[in-house]
Amino acid sequence: GNSVTQMEGPVTLSEEAFLTINCTYTATGYPSLFWYVQYPGEGLQLLLKATKADDKGSNKGFEATYRKETTSFHLEKGSVQVSDSAVYFCALSVLSGAGSYQLTFGKGTKLSVIP
Amino acid sequence: DTGVSQDPRHKITKRGQNVTFRCDPISEHNRLYWYRQTLGQGPEFLTYFQNEAQLEKSRLLSDRFSAERPKGSFSTLEIQRTEQGDSAMYLCASTIVGVGYTFGSGTRLTVV
Repeated sequence: GNSVTQMEGPVTLSEEAFLTINCTYTATGYPSLFWYVQYPGEGLQLLLKATKADDKGSNKGFEATYRKETTSFHLEKGSVQVSDSAVYFCALSVLSGAGSYQLTFGKGTKLSVIP
Repeated sequence: DTGVSQDPRHKITKRGQNVTFRCDPISEHNRLYWYRQTLGQGPEFLTYFQNEAQLEKSRLLSDRFSAERPKGSFSTLEIQRTEQGDSAMYLCASTIVGVGYTFGSGTRLTVV
């Protein structure tokens, strides 16, 4: 089956620190990979995605590279801000036999950035 | 279009009662998904609609759960005889081929 494992939180960083959140996956088929962010009281928002090996997704200073050889999609940001405090979810999707692109999520990593 | 709307935002119900949630997707999106998110976990897939047809259901969707999408527009998720284990955030998302998911803000269900 499909599964996503991401590093446990919570993660607390000082403003301007470097962020890495590790994510590895197992999948049947060739997955697309995603990072979603959930701010308090809000729904999930797509942060970035990559659809094939060696693709780099990037948005708002966050980056992640699709590494097929290590089945990983680690999230990085060079300098975090207080406004980045949220829960981050790694996810994959593979086309199912029924035609859906259902997402399989990791458990989430809560990031708190302190001034 | 203002995105995916879910109603209500919060629902508190007594164990054994029935509840129904509504999702209004982005109008041109023909694919609709329901997910459930419990505290400290990532969302888990419940069911998928393409237009009005329910094409896929998770094993998580017991016979107490039913979902509909009449006319391929809004969708409803009903839980009958609620149990405390049903307490969770229920998320709806819509999409169309080539476009990523848009999630709603969810309905938080508390069963007391």
